[in-house]
Amino acid sequence: AQSVTQLGSHVSVSEGALVLLRCNYSSSVPPYLFWYVQYPNQGLQLLLKYTSAATLVKGINGFEAEFKKSETSFHLTKPSAHMSDAAEYFCAVGYSGYSTLTFGKGTMLLVSP
Amino acid sequence: DAGITQSPRYKITETGRQVTLMCHQTWSHSYMFWYRQDLGHGLRLIYYSAAADITDKGEVPDGYVVSRSKTENFPLTLESATRSQTSVYFCASTPGAEGTQYFGPGTRLLVL
Repeated sequence: AQSVTQLGSHVSVSEGALVLLRCNYSSSVPPYLFWYVQYPNQGLQLLLKYTSAATLVKGINGFEAEFKKSETSFHLTKPSAHMSDAAEYFCAVGYSGYSTLTFGKGTMLLVSP
Repeated sequence: DAGITQSPRYKITETGRQVTLMCHQTWSHSYMFWYRQDLGHGLRLIYYSAAADITDKGEVPDGYVVSRSKTENFPLTLESATRSQTSVYFCASTPGAEGTQYFGPGTRLLVL
């Protein structure tokens, strides 16, 4: 069974600091991977998606993630945090031929001035 | 431009009552999904559907019933609500397997 682990339920950064949200997955076959963001009282929005093309994936709002097969990781980064980045972030994994995704438990990003 | 909508957005009900949450999408996506979101658990899949009249169980299907008579609608019914079903429910859709899932705004359900 596929699984996703997001290290840290809460991550706090200062405005302008590097954002690093960690995601590790378990898989015996090539996965496709997603990062979603959820703002308060809203649904999830896609940030970026990896589907076995380039290992470095660029998303919206300046976020990017790097697929590292050897580490089974897909960490999300942003060079400089903005107050508007405060939200909950979810990593998800899926597999070829399957429509369902498995989501991590989420990481709440807190940005302080 | 509606995309995917859910109704109601907020619902309070009592234990034992039947509740139906509605999900409607305007994209004609084949696949639709129901999730529940609970603190500490992230999103868990309840049921999903690959097409009209085709549904399948997810991770936490007990206590829920779904149907899909039309491609654009995917209602979720709690036949006899329990307090443990207090949660935020999200509907999602995708055009095909392996596609990006697009989420509705959610329904907050409180079971007293």
